[in-house]
Amino acid sequence: ELKVEQNPLFLSMQEGKNYTIYCNYSTTSDRLYWYRQDPGKSLESLFVLLSNGAVKQEGRLMASLDTKARLSTLHITAAVHDLSATYFCAVDTYQGGKLIFGQGTELSVKP
Amino acid sequence: DADVTQTPRNRITKTGKRIMLECSQTKGHDRMYWYRQDPGLGLRLIYYSFDVKDINKGEISDGYSVSRQAQAKFSLSLESAIPNQTALYFCATSDGRNSGNTIYFGEGSWLTVV
Repeated sequence: ELKVEQNPLFLSMQEGKNYTIYCNYSTTSDRLYWYRQDPGKSLESLFVLLSNGAVKQEGRLMASLDTKARLSTLHITAAVHDLSATYFCAVDTYQGGKLIFGQGTELSVKP
Repeated sequence: DADVTQTPRNRITKTGKRIMLECSQTKGHDRMYWYRQDPGLGLRLIYYSFDVKDINKGEISDGYSVSRQAQAKFSLSLESAIPNQTALYFCATSDGRNSGNTIYFGEGSWLTVV
């Protein structure tokens, strides 16, 4: 059974600091997604990582994928308050939508 | 207008009642999904459909059924709602013709079973 585990589950940061969210998964997959969710809202797609060694960056967020280690990271650079949200990683088990989600990391960025 | 539209957005229903959540999409995608979100558990897949004639169970299909009425429409039914089906439900779509494409989520439907 595929399991996806994120850590930390809760993260309180100060503005301007850097931090990394980790996503470990238990079986082979070469397709990983990162989503952002604001409270009570839908999921916003951040990154789709399709191959080993893939790295994508958007603004202060950078995601990477190591399929051999079954690990993806979401790195936050110089955090700002607007990044406060819950971040989910999800692993695609079947090429196209059968996603297994991590528990989510609730990020709070404080001034 | 949203590309993936869910109705109703909020519903309170009583135990034992039948309820249907509807999803329609304007993205022209062939693949559609229903997920359920519970606090601390992320999202879990209930059912998915890769085309109109294809329906598949996900992780947690017990107590649910679905209907794919057209390429653009995918509905989720709770035949006899129970309180532990209280959750936030999401419909999602993806384009099966292009591997690695983004999966798009609707706005969500809050369901409370009392």
